[in-house]
Amino acid sequence: EAGVTQFPSHSVIEKGQTVTLRCDPISGHDNLYWYRRVMGKEIKFLLHFVKESKQDESGMPNNRFLAERTGGTYSTLKVQPAELEDSGVYFCASSQTQGLGETQYFGPGTRLLVL
Amino acid sequence: KNQVEQSPQSLIILEGKNCTLQCNYTVSPFSNLRWYKQDTGRGPVSLTIMTFSENTKSNGRYTATLDADTKQSSLHITASQLSDSASYICVVIHYKAAGNKLTFGGGTRVLVKP
Repeated sequence: EAGVTQFPSHSVIEKGQTVTLRCDPISGHDNLYWYRRVMGKEIKFLLHFVKESKQDESGMPNNRFLAERTGGTYSTLKVQPAELEDSGVYFCASSQTQGLGETQYFGPGTRLLVL
Repeated sequence: KNQVEQSPQSLIILEGKNCTLQCNYTVSPFSNLRWYKQDTGRGPVSLTIMTFSENTKSNGRYTATLDADTKQSSLHITASQLSDSASYICVVIHYKAAGNKLTFGGGTRVLVKP
């Protein structure tokens, strides 16, 4: 069974440009999460989808970030326009069920560098 | 100040030796705690999970302990191997019906040398 996949693995863009990150969760996983780790900091939550609905987007830093999950399968995270402080590693995770026993499976991340 | 603090930030050990990583947390309420291993260029992978009532949990050469009273956890690696070189992340989880909230530590980078 394929794990969580993310594309691209790396992205280098200039300040002011737009970047779109993609996440393909494990098939059948209704829960999809976005996290990010900025340089020298811990991983932090961005948002949570249940199927195509945003369950919790309290971690989104500002309105330059837009996440979508049309059809409840893959998800995209768009940053527009990108700023220097957006540089970091963006992780996606998926899980089958919520609750105490939930296990989130993480993708390899997308390394974003804004110059 | 992060609610999950890990120490040391990094350490180097010789192959075959043991080491212990520390995690102190202030997250409340608390449902369970996981240790993740993150290899370079990969996402975190869960090693152990413990509820507040569990004191110790093992997964092969990895043994995690938890003291919910002092809010401390440790991860002990026995007879280290080169493949243990990775970042180890302590994650405290609070169960919510709307979706579990994960609070991550900054991680400890372990380098095992031959």
